Amino acid sequence: AQTVTQSQPEMSVQEAETVTLSCTYDTSESDYYLFWYKQPPSRQMILVIRQEAYKQQNATENRFSVNFQKAAKSFSLKISDSQLGDAAMYFCAYRRFTGANSKLTFGKGITLSVRP
Amino acid sequence: KAGVTQTPRYLIKTRGQQVTLSCSPISGHRSVSWYQQTPGQGLQFLFEYFSETQRNKGNFPGRFSGRQFSNSRSEMNVSTLELGDSALYLCASSLTRGADTQYFGPGTRLTVL
Repeated sequence: AQTVTQSQPEMSVQEAETVTLSCTYDTSESDYYLFWYKQPPSRQMILVIRQEAYKQQNATENRFSVNFQKAAKSFSLKISDSQLGDAAMYFCAYRRFTGANSKLTFGKGITLSVRP
Repeated sequence: KAGVTQTPRYLIKTRGQQVTLSCSPISGHRSVSWYQQTPGQGLQFLFEYFSETQRNKGNFPGRFSGRQFSNSRSEMNVSTLELGDSALYLCASSLTRGADTQYFGPGTRLTVL
């Protein structure tokens, strides 16, 4: 079974600074997808970024980028120029590429606070 | 394009009652998945529906059930509610199954007294 681990329950960053959120996962599959979702206090789960395992290039979306290390099974999220609106809970998630079991497996989440 | 909508947003029930939650996916999306979120267990997969058929089921008791209609709208039902069923129930939709990204609704907050 696949597992996703987010070992840091909380992190804090100064506004305009850069922060990195860590995530590791365990799978025997070779093809899969990894995601970072953001859940602000409103509880709406918002997709931040997605990475296909077969792509060597790290995904980037504006101020958000990932460091995907397939061999190490590591998938960290870097937030540059942090803004107050980035304060939220961040979840790392795994999904098989195809097949019968296409559910999302989530980590426990990291609560990110942004200091003004 | 409108996002995923869930109704109701908040619900209070008492033990032993049953409840039905509704989810309308993004227009054109045919796959709907349900997740339960609690402080203790985190986010856990309940089930996935595609083309009106349940395709996957998580490790939840039979009190949890669901269905999908021909317009892809989905409902989930919890019978004989227990205190531990208090949670945020999230619905997510995607175009098809497999590789597609799931987009989440705002959730239904269920409180069981």
